[in-house]
Amino acid sequence: SQTIHQWPATLVQPVGSPLSLECTVEGTSNPNLYWYRQAAGRGLQLLFYSVGIGQISSEVPQNLSASRPQDRQFILSSKKLLLSDSGFYLCAWKGRAPNTEAFFGQGTRLTVV
Amino acid sequence: LAKTTQPISMDSYEGQEVNITCSHNNIATNDYITWYQQFPSQGPRFIIQGYKTKVTNEVASLFIPADRKSSTLSLPRVSLSDTAVYYCLVVMTTDSWGKLQFGAGTQVVVTP
Repeated sequence: SQTIHQWPATLVQPVGSPLSLECTVEGTSNPNLYWYRQAAGRGLQLLFYSVGIGQISSEVPQNLSASRPQDRQFILSSKKLLLSDSGFYLCAWKGRAPNTEAFFGQGTRLTVV
Repeated sequence: LAKTTQPISMDSYEGQEVNITCSHNNIATNDYITWYQQFPSQGPRFIIQGYKTKVTNEVASLFIPADRKSSTLSLPRVSLSDTAVYYCLVVMTTDSWGKLQFGAGTQVVVTP
């Protein structure tokens, strides 16, 4: 069966520090991969998505970046965190066919202090 | 891009049926309509998906009229545990293929 791992679950980082969140998927190949951010009481903001290795589409450039070094690995990074980067970060994967569902990781609660 | 519009919030009592309507006026011919449920501090979970007419599973029903410009998620006999945010998405099959954009969602609150 397919599983998605996202870590860490919680993270407290000072302003200006770097960030690296990792997401891996098991049990499938060639998935579409996604990074979302959710502020408290708000909807999901799509940050990046990828339909293949090295193919990254950015929805929110800002100071975040994403990479897909392997087929089932998706990394969200920042060189210098801002207070506004605080939020709940979710990784998701979806099969390539349009009529397949997306599966989400457990999320990372990031607090920038 | 098929933008979706749905009510911000809905209140209901236990045992009632909840219907959430989503409009997606510029849906493309081959796009799919999908609904997700999200509880606090969790990722969304797939509920149901459809292309046209009616789809039913053990959790909900999805009604899609012939013009496909809207869809209605029906939750029968809700319980307190159905309190959650419900998102309507249009899964595109042409332009921006692969993009999965969530809207603001509908906060459903079920009370005793």
